[in-house]
Amino acid sequence: EAQLVESGGGLVQPGGSLRVSCAASGFTFSSYSMNWVRQAPGKGLEWVSYISSDSSSIYYADSVKGRFTISRDNAKNSLYLQMNTLRDEDTAVYYCARGPISDWFCDFWGRGILVTVSS
Amino acid sequence: EIVMTQSPATLSVSPGERVTLSCRASKSVASNLAWYQHRPGQAPSLLIHGASTRATGIPARFSGSGSGTEFTLTISSLQSEDFAVYYCQQYNYWPPGTFGQGTKVEIK
Repeated sequence: EAQLVESGGGLVQPGGSLRVSCAASGFTFSSYSMNWVRQAPGKGLEWVSYISSDSSSIYYADSVKGRFTISRDNAKNSLYLQMNTLRDEDTAVYYCARGPISDWFCDFWGRGILVTVSS
Repeated sequence: EIVMTQSPATLSVSPGERVTLSCRASKSVASNLAWYQHRPGQAPSLLIHGASTRATGIPARFSGSGSGTEFTLTISSLQSEDFAVYYCQQYNYWPPGTFGQGTKVEIK
């Protein structure tokens, strides 16, 4: 059974950094693209970043470009999001989500991890 | 950037009722539209992709229709586990895969 488990969230001050991780199991992680999607309190879903199966293609939402870095380690079945220069508006639950082979929606999601940016 | 607009924002319904949710794109996204269900505290789940193709394991009471700019998600007979927030997402112009703001289906 496929599983995605996020970790590494918590409270960080504005301007600070945090790295969240996503551990994948139950499927061939190296065959799938992956995404990070977030949901701010009381708001809807916002796509954040994408990485292809072999890390050759990477994209970011304009709201995080230059501050966030997505990466993956296929040997460890893990996805990462390094978040720098965090702002209050980055407070959200961050979900990792799998992209199906050769398409752009998200076919399987983790339960999310809360990142709170506050002084 | 494509703007996805969902209506209504909230729908109050009774179990067993038929439910229709709407999603409109600011320009044509062909059939590159997905629907997701999100229950509080749980992982979102894919219901529909390609505007009308049910994802693996999704019950037949969920159906999607539409193309271009107008899309509909129909739940033929609402079950207790269907009370949730539903999001549409276009992936024709990607990145970003823009989501609608969601429709909350609540118990009447």
